[in-house]
Amino acid sequence: GAGVSQSPSNKVTEKGKDVELRCDPISGHTALYWYRQSLGQGLEFLIYFQGNSAPDKSGLPSDRFSAERTGGSVSTLTIQRTQQEDSAVYLCASNLLGVGGPDTQYFGPGTRLTVL
Amino acid sequence: EDKVVQSPLSLVVHEGDTVTLNCSYEVTNFRSLLWYKQEKKAPTFLFMLTSSGIEKKSGRLSSILDKKELFSILNITATQTGDSAVYLCAVKGTGFQKLVFGTGTRLLVSP
Repeated sequence: GAGVSQSPSNKVTEKGKDVELRCDPISGHTALYWYRQSLGQGLEFLIYFQGNSAPDKSGLPSDRFSAERTGGSVSTLTIQRTQQEDSAVYLCASNLLGVGGPDTQYFGPGTRLTVL
Repeated sequence: EDKVVQSPLSLVVHEGDTVTLNCSYEVTNFRSLLWYKQEKKAPTFLFMLTSSGIEKKSGRLSSILDKKELFSILNITATQTGDSAVYLCAVKGTGFQKLVFGTGTRLLVSP
C-alpha cells in the first residue's frame, strides 16, 4: 500500500476484555514497530519485528501484551484483560532495513484505545 | 538509560514569527537523531541528522545537530498556521532498532 495502515482507528472496550489491533506496513518493508502514546506523552517503544521474528520485545509492559507478525507483513498487537491504564494511541511504523535511510520509520495513523 | 528531553513543552507564536525548538539527548553509541511533525495521529518524518549530516534544511524548516553538546534544534521561519503541531525528537543508537522519543513540543501558530 501507499502507507502504513492501522485498524480500527478507534476502539472502546470494557475493562477486562481482550482487544486486537492490526497494522499493515508499507509493502516490502521488512521491519515493523509498535509504539504507544499516552495522553501528553512521547512515543513509548513496545516491540520490533524483523520479518516474522521479534528480536526486541523489551517495551511490552506486561505479559498481557503480545504481538505477532505473519508472512512478513501484517502484524497484530493483542492486549488481554485490558486495564484503564492501557488507554492510549497505539502507533505502528515500518521501514526497510539495510537500504538508504534505514533509521527513518514511517508511521501509521494509529489506533486510539479507550478502556472504560 | 537512553533519554530525550525537549523544550519548551509548548509554545504559542503569531504567524510570521521564527521559532526554535530544542532537543537534548543521552544515548549509548549515538547513530542518528530524527525530527517528526505530529498533527493528528501519524507522526510525519521531517529530518534525520547523523555524524555525516549535521545540518538539514527544507523550505522554512532547518535543523542542526551538535554531537559534542548532545543537542539539536529545529528552526521554523515565517511560521504559518499550518505549522501548528506537536514536534517530536527521537534518537537511535547503534545497538538497537527502536527510536527513543521525547515528549514533544506543542506549537500553536495563531493568525
